[in-house]
Amino acid sequence: QKEVEQNSGPLSVPEGAIASLNCTYSDRGSQSFFWYRQYSGKSPELIMFIYSNGDKEDGRFTAQLNKASQYVSLLIRDSQPSDSATYLCAVNMNGNNRLAFGKGNQVVVIP
Amino acid sequence: GAVVSQHPSRVICKSGTSVKIECRSLDFQATTMFWYRQFPKQSLMLMATSNEGSKATYEQGVEKDKFLINHASLTLSTLTVTSAHPEDSSFYICSGGSQTAPNEQFFGPGTRLTVL
Repeated sequence: QKEVEQNSGPLSVPEGAIASLNCTYSDRGSQSFFWYRQYSGKSPELIMFIYSNGDKEDGRFTAQLNKASQYVSLLIRDSQPSDSATYLCAVNMNGNNRLAFGKGNQVVVIP
Repeated sequence: GAVVSQHPSRVICKSGTSVKIECRSLDFQATTMFWYRQFPKQSLMLMATSNEGSKATYEQGVEKDKFLINHASLTLSTLTVTSAHPEDSSFYICSGGSQTAPNEQFFGPGTRLTVL
């Protein structure tokens, strides 16, 4: 089992809609969870992080964490064409600050 | 915010040569630096973790004699790809972590290596 899994294929959403991305992880000891956005040819940029169960909102983005189910998600509200990118889920490994990344989900926002 | 630079941004070299990539934290002290590699349409794979002044810790399957990492100061880490081959062509990205934000990593812009 991979440490971090993002299994959805490319996601196309119309402008203004909600994009929903999911991620599962294998290490029950993980404490920190991150969502990064990566544009083609660029390095990842941090969107938000979450440490506690529940929801965390930051502007149009909401991260949701469920440690019992080992599941973290990202919602993008009012999607904009500039949100078109690959979204990477990352999880701390073994309680330290080494990150394991999922393979990413490509989001395409259609004007 | 925390800024990390990488140099060069792009390098093309011949097979068998060595290439050095620099990673600098510009406005913070990076007590830990991480080196990642990303192949096309794949995710970031952690290669190694280095702490200032000590030897790097390599991930399983990463050859330490091929990918030499030096972290001589709190603002500079270097990755040298020795005797590069076409299969080493990839996007190399460094990130820095600091004690003031222990759970966060600040990524550099990446270096595109092409080995002919």
